[in-house]
Amino acid sequence: DAKTTQPNSMESNEEEPVHLPCNHSTISGTDYIHWYRQLPSQGPEYVIHGLTSNVNNRMASLAIAEDRKSSTLILHRATLRDAAVYYCILRDWGTSYDKVIFGPGTSLSVIP
Amino acid sequence: ETGVTQTPRHLVMGMTNKKSLKCEQHLGHNAMYWYKQSAKKPLELMFVYNFKEQTENNSVPSRFSPECPNSSHLFLHLHTLQPEDSALYLCASSQEPAGGPGETQYFGPGTRLLVL
Repeated sequence: DAKTTQPNSMESNEEEPVHLPCNHSTISGTDYIHWYRQLPSQGPEYVIHGLTSNVNNRMASLAIAEDRKSSTLILHRATLRDAAVYYCILRDWGTSYDKVIFGPGTSLSVIP
Repeated sequence: ETGVTQTPRHLVMGMTNKKSLKCEQHLGHNAMYWYKQSAKKPLELMFVYNFKEQTENNSVPSRFSPECPNSSHLFLHLHTLQPEDSALYLCASSQEPAGGPGETQYFGPGTRLLVL
């Protein structure tokens, strides 16, 4: 099973950029990279996803390494509301659901 | 638009009780999911429904029984639960058939369950 590894926690200063890394060295050619985040006392929310090319949306940017064995979620200006657990997940077309695993994620703290 | 709603938000039940959790999505999605999130543990997928048909049961004990009467509603019926079943139960929905590579899941706020 393709799995991801992330740092347990990270800190950022408010209004500074944040780079959240994710390693997925066993990624297959058909795995999409998805990022979700979970704010305190809420369900997870979708952030961004991509396959090979870098992606941008209103929430964040996703930078994918050329060999696809790692990716980085970029928050361009961290705010206090960005303090959350960030999950990096691989999704394969037609995957069996016991292989869809949310890991422990990275707990991001934002310092005012 | 309220997205995905779950009721109740909090529930306390004894081990001999029977209760049900309800999830409703107002997004016109085709797939719905139940997840369990225990304290300080990652989310665990429990059940998946595609077009009202259960497509996955991720080795969940029979004391948890899902029901999907239509594509907008999902229930989780609970009976004879154990204290270790205390957790946050999250419902989610998605637009594409479950398993699609671009599939984005929208989560509800969850039901905080305490089993005494």
